[in-house]
Amino acid sequence: GNSVTQMEGPVTLSEEAFLTINCTYTATGYPSLFWYVQYPGEGLQLLLKATKADDKGSNKGFEATYRKETTSFHLEKGSVQVSDSAVYFCALILSYNTDKLIFGTGTRLQVFP
Amino acid sequence: GAVVSQHPSWVICKSGTSVKIECRSLDFQATTMFWYRQFPKQSLMLMATSNEGSKATYEQGVEKDKFLINHASLTLSTLTVTSAHPEDSSFYICSATGTSEFNEQFFGPGTRLTVL
Repeated sequence: GNSVTQMEGPVTLSEEAFLTINCTYTATGYPSLFWYVQYPGEGLQLLLKATKADDKGSNKGFEATYRKETTSFHLEKGSVQVSDSAVYFCALILSYNTDKLIFGTGTRLQVFP
Repeated sequence: GAVVSQHPSWVICKSGTSVKIECRSLDFQATTMFWYRQFPKQSLMLMATSNEGSKATYEQGVEKDKFLINHASLTLSTLTVTSAHPEDSSFYICSATGTSEFNEQFFGPGTRLTVL
């Protein structure tokens, strides 16, 4: 079936460290891929997206590239800040059912000064 | 813009009682609203999709008589957990879509339900 797998957390980093959160997917057809972020006490917010192979989504210093050959959409940031501490969700939408988001389990990122 | 609120943010109730959770789109009209459930360390699972003025569409395995959804207006959807039991304890999240380019979903902050 269609699913998203992301690395378990928490990921604990010092400020200015490099961040990678792995995400792989299984899907029929050609899904669109997303990263959502949930800050403490808030709802999920769309962080970035990519709709086709080799697209790179980017926002707020975060990047992720849609890799069809490895079915991956890893999230990266070159230098994290304390304010990046949050839970990050990888998700996909199938091309034939654009209403239904399929989420990974979420990865908690903790950044310390 | 595109703010979605939920009320209450947390609720504790006794087994056998019913609990209503509200989801509101504050600054846009939501053509579609979604209800998700999240267990600890698990992903968000879609429970149902609702459009204003029509019956909700439930995902496979979700009891429609247990989880009543009413989408009475373009800014309000409610989820009622009827005759709640401890296994219904969970984090319930709603989202809403308006008229954005690719049906972007805007999420509420969630409601923590604990059934004693």
